[in-house]
Amino acid sequence: QKEVEQNSGPLSVPEGAIASLNCTYSDRVSQSFFWYRQYSGKSPELIMSIYSNGDKEDGRFTAQLNKASQYVSLLIRDSQPSDSATYLCAVKYGGSQGNLIFGKGTKLSVKP
Amino acid sequence: DAGVIQSPRHEVTEMGQEVTLRCKPISGHNSLFWYRQTMMRGLELLIYFNNNVPIDDSGMPEDRFSAKMPNASFSTLKIQPSEPRDSAVYFCASSSRIDRASGNTIYFGEGSWLTVV
Repeated sequence: QKEVEQNSGPLSVPEGAIASLNCTYSDRVSQSFFWYRQYSGKSPELIMSIYSNGDKEDGRFTAQLNKASQYVSLLIRDSQPSDSATYLCAVKYGGSQGNLIFGKGTKLSVKP
Repeated sequence: DAGVIQSPRHEVTEMGQEVTLRCKPISGHNSLFWYRQTMMRGLELLIYFNNNVPIDDSGMPEDRFSAKMPNASFSTLKIQPSEPRDSAVYFCASSSRIDRASGNTIYFGEGSWLTVV
């Protein structure tokens, strides 16, 4: 059973702080990892992808991957109230023809 | 460029009725996915197609659920007969296959909000 685990939260941070979201996965063969953001009542939208160990930065977002520990994280710097949403971690299984398995998401609340 | 288009956006139906959800993937995408999202179970993959061929339907909950993709631009998810526990948001998503292990991006439609009473 391939699993993706996330803390459901809610995670509450003050505006301007760093929000740290974490995810673990069960299958060592996985090569591709994604973070999606989902606002209430909306569909998931991709914000970051990462394939290699280490950090990947995109604006205020940094994704971190540690394949040895089977751990993916997302850091949001200078958090804004507009970042308040549920963040879904997704892991791709099955190679190039594979599919995404999602965690249940972590709800983030950024307080003004 | 149009995204993934789903219909209907909202449907309320009575238990026992047939429900058909429709999806038009992004033009040029050759992979299509049907997901179901509930508070309790999160986002679950029901079935996915590559080049119109079903690859993995192990997520389809039971025989009441069926999915088809008759051509590259259209797919349906059918529930017959529907039950209250089928109430959820059903997302269709599509992607373009990349011939390397680094993966691809899945784009979601706006979802079909189903309520079975």
